[in-house]
Amino acid sequence: QKEVEQNSGPLSVPEGAIASLNCTYSDRGSQSFFWYRQYSGKSPELIMSIYSNGDKEDGRFTAQLNKASQYVSLLIRDSQPSDSATYLCAVNSGGSNYKLTFGKGTLLTVNP
Amino acid sequence: GAVVSQHPSWVICKSGTSVKIECRSLDFQATTMFWYRQFPKQSLMLMATSNEGSKATYEQGVEKDKFLINHASLTLSTLTVTSAHPEDSSFYICSGRRRGKFFGQGTRLTVV
Repeated sequence: QKEVEQNSGPLSVPEGAIASLNCTYSDRGSQSFFWYRQYSGKSPELIMSIYSNGDKEDGRFTAQLNKASQYVSLLIRDSQPSDSATYLCAVNSGGSNYKLTFGKGTLLTVNP
Repeated sequence: GAVVSQHPSWVICKSGTSVKIECRSLDFQATTMFWYRQFPKQSLMLMATSNEGSKATYEQGVEKDKFLINHASLTLSTLTVTSAHPEDSSFYICSGRRRGKFFGQGTRLTVV
C-alpha cells in the first residue's frame, strides 16, 4: 500500500523564522510531488509542485526532493502568522492519471 | 490555475435522506474528476475517480451503491450520498483532472 508520512506536529515557530516541513513516501515509482496548505474548514490550496531531484523555489517557499531517499520537504522562510495552517504532502503515483496520496498533514503555528 | 467550483458549501440533512454534491470545472474540460473525503483531523482519502461518459472507479472499501457518481458532461460531476447516516458526516472535496491538483471549495456534510 502506498503511504505518505508526515510529522503531525504541531510545529511552532516564531514570526520571521524558517519553518521546515518533511514528508517521506513509500512508492519509489512516484513521479510528482505536491505541497498543499489547508486552513481549518477550507479546501487544500496548492503551494508547490516538484518533479525532479533538487530544490525549487517560489517566493518564500522552497520545495526539496530527494528521490533516492524518498523524501520531500518544504521550507517556509520569513514565516508569517498567516502561514499558520495544516500543510499536506501529496504524492502522485498514478502517472498521467494524477491520483494523489496524501499525508496526514503537519499543523504549523507561527507565533507573532 | 484551473478553477473547480463545488456546491453546496455545506449541507445538513436528516438520516436516511440523500444528498447531491456538484463539482464543476469552470475553465477547462475535465474528462476525469476525483472525489475525496476528509474526516476531522485526518487527511484526504480518495473515494473514487469519476470518468466522463463512463462508470466511476471506486477505491477499496468505498460502497459504490451508497456513493453514486455521475459524470455526464466534461464540466460536471456529481456525488450523491444515498441513505445518509451520521457516520457519513465529513468534508467532501472534488478535484478536476488538470494535473489533478486543483480542488473545489469542499462540501461540509452533516447528517443528523
